Amino acid sequence: AQSVTQLDSHVSVSEGTPVLLRCNYSSSYSPSLFWYVQHPNKGLQLLLKYTSAATLVKGINGFEAEFKKSETSFHLTKPSAHMSDAAEYFCVVSDRGAGNMLTFGGGTRLMVKP
Amino acid sequence: DTEVTQTPKHLVMGMTNKKSLKCEQHMGHRAMYWYKQKAKKPPELMFVYSYEKLSINESVPSRFSPECPNSSLLNLHLHALQPEDSALYLCASSQPGKGYEQYFGPGTRLTVT
Repeated sequence: AQSVTQLDSHVSVSEGTPVLLRCNYSSSYSPSLFWYVQHPNKGLQLLLKYTSAATLVKGINGFEAEFKKSETSFHLTKPSAHMSDAAEYFCVVSDRGAGNMLTFGGGTRLMVKP
Repeated sequence: DTEVTQTPKHLVMGMTNKKSLKCEQHMGHRAMYWYKQKAKKPPELMFVYSYEKLSINESVPSRFSPECPNSSLLNLHLHALQPEDSALYLCASSQPGKGYEQYFGPGTRLTVT
């Protein structure tokens, strides 16, 4: 069985300051991990993915995440927040099975203040 | 191209209506998914089609009926829905055994009156 915990339901930052969204996972095998972003009334967009290659993963829009097996963490960071980053972010783990089933974290709402 | 399209964008239906949601992808993916998402919650899996066969039904009520006419299309037929079925319905696709990520469409916002 696998699970994902997003440690903060809401994060508020000022524009131009760093962003940190925290995610811990539980998996009985080597996981594939993803971060998705969802703007209001939109679908989910894949930000980045970890699939057992480099542990530091770079994604779109300046986001990156580091896979730390010893801490079972996959935190999402960005050096400088932009107003357009305000959205809901989901940390997701795949079962790597034939169905590519995903397990979602509860989500973190990122608010960016001017 | 990593695009999944969904129609309609918005749908309002009464409890006695029959309607359908449509989803299309042209990435050659052989797995397609329907999710239901309520406000401020993560998506909940409803159905999985793998190689055009229904492989997973997450105990969804029979008033939701999925259909996969071919490898590019996925439909969700709706009948006799309840107000609590109002939600954002998301379609996704992936290629089994490769990458493991799913690509999502923009969703259909369904309101049941």
